[in-house]
Amino acid sequence: GDSVTQMEGPVTLSEEAFLTINCTYTATGYPSLFWYVQYPGEGLQLLLKATKADDKGSNKGFEATYRKETTSFHLEKGSVQVSDSAVYFCALSDQSRGNKLVFGAGTILRVKS
Amino acid sequence: DTGVSQDPRHKITKRGQNVTFRCDPISEHNRLYWYRQTLGQGPEFLTYFQNEAQLEKSRLLSDRFSAERPKGSFSTLEIQRTEQGDSAMYLCATLAGGQETQYFGPGTRLLVL
Repeated sequence: GDSVTQMEGPVTLSEEAFLTINCTYTATGYPSLFWYVQYPGEGLQLLLKATKADDKGSNKGFEATYRKETTSFHLEKGSVQVSDSAVYFCALSDQSRGNKLVFGAGTILRVKS
Repeated sequence: DTGVSQDPRHKITKRGQNVTFRCDPISEHNRLYWYRQTLGQGPEFLTYFQNEAQLEKSRLLSDRFSAERPKGSFSTLEIQRTEQGDSAMYLCATLAGGQETQYFGPGTRLLVL
């Protein structure tokens, strides 16, 4: 079945550092890819998405590019802030499979001031 | 606030008791999904509805679990004869027809003693 693998955390960075969280996927169809974020004490929120190969999703300074050749969707941000501390989940869904989301295990990001 | 609400937010119960959770979706969203999230893991798909029809159930959903969505509006998830292994966060998400982004509720955290 479809699956998503994320880099293990926690990732600890100083403020203004560059962030990369790796995500790779396995899928038999043509999935859409997502990054969701869960801030402390809050529910899951969509951060960004990409629906086809070579699409770039972006939001709040975060970016990720759908790379079909490497089956990857790595999350990047040029300069992190303390307020970016959260758990980040990479996920995929496929319309032919009812759009149900398949999530990675999540990566904890801690940003120090 | 995504517009998806869940009730209760927290539930503590004793092993063997029955519990029921409720999800109220964004009104125009015809698809509703249930996921379970255990500590340190990403959410796992349980079941989903299109309007009032339950279209798929995961193998994770034992026969002690039942979900309904009468009239295609709110949904309930019931767990009978709870076990300690049922302790988790139960998440509801909804999706508008033709769209790909699911909106999540805040979740119901269940603790089975």
